[in-house]
Amino acid sequence: KNEVEQSPQNLTAQEGEFITINCSYSVGISALHWLQQHPGGGIVSLFMLSSGKKKHGRLIATINIQEKHSSLHITASHPRDSAVYICAVNDMRFGAGTRLTVKP
Amino acid sequence: SQTIHQWPATLVQPVGSPLSLECTVEGTSNPNLYWYRQAAGRGLQLLFYSVGIGQISSEVPQNLSASRPQDRQFILSSKKLLLSDSGFYLCAWSRTGYEKLFFGSGTQLSVL
Repeated sequence: KNEVEQSPQNLTAQEGEFITINCSYSVGISALHWLQQHPGGGIVSLFMLSSGKKKHGRLIATINIQEKHSSLHITASHPRDSAVYICAVNDMRFGAGTRLTVKP
Repeated sequence: SQTIHQWPATLVQPVGSPLSLECTVEGTSNPNLYWYRQAAGRGLQLLFYSVGIGQISSEVPQNLSASRPQDRQFILSSKKLLLSDSGFYLCAWSRTGYEKLFFGSGTQLSVL
C-alpha cells in the first residue's frame, strides 16, 4: 500500500462545477503539500498545510490530522484549472496525482 | 524575490555517458534543496535532498549522485547513464522542511 493515496485518479468536470480531490496518508507528517502540474511539466506549489484550512482564490485545502486525510477543493471550475494535482507529504512522499480535465 | 534556475530543459544522452544537471537558487540563503524524478506515466519520486553545503541525503539507491558545492547550487550527476535513468528531473527548494516548495522548470532526460 502506498504511503500517500489520491483519489480519483482521473476527473472530468464541466466548467463551473465544484471539484474535490482527496488525499489519504499513512505516515506521520510535518507538512502536506498540494501541487499543480501543467501539461508542459512545470510544477507550482498551491498550498502547504500542517493543520486546518487554507484558501487562495477559488482553491481551498483542508487537512484532518487525526484522520490523516486532506482535500483540495476547486470552486467554479474553469478549463484553465485542467492539470494534474499532486498531494505530497513531508516533501518526500507523493501521491500518484489526479488528472483533472474541465470542459467548457 | 527568490528564483530557481535549472538547466538544460531537454537532454538526449547515450547509454553509458556521464550526466550533470545543475540547479541554482537566487534570493535566499541556506535553502533546503531537492532533486526529484518523474518517470514516464509515473508519480514524483524524491532522489536527494540537502539541508546544507556538503550535506546530501539519498532516498533511493540508484545510478545517480548529488552534490552541493555551494549554498545555493545543487548538482545531479551520473558517471554512466542507464536507459532507466530517462525521465523528467525537477529541482526544488524550500526555506525549511515546513514551508512551500518552489520548483525549477525541469529537465527532460532521454537516455538512448
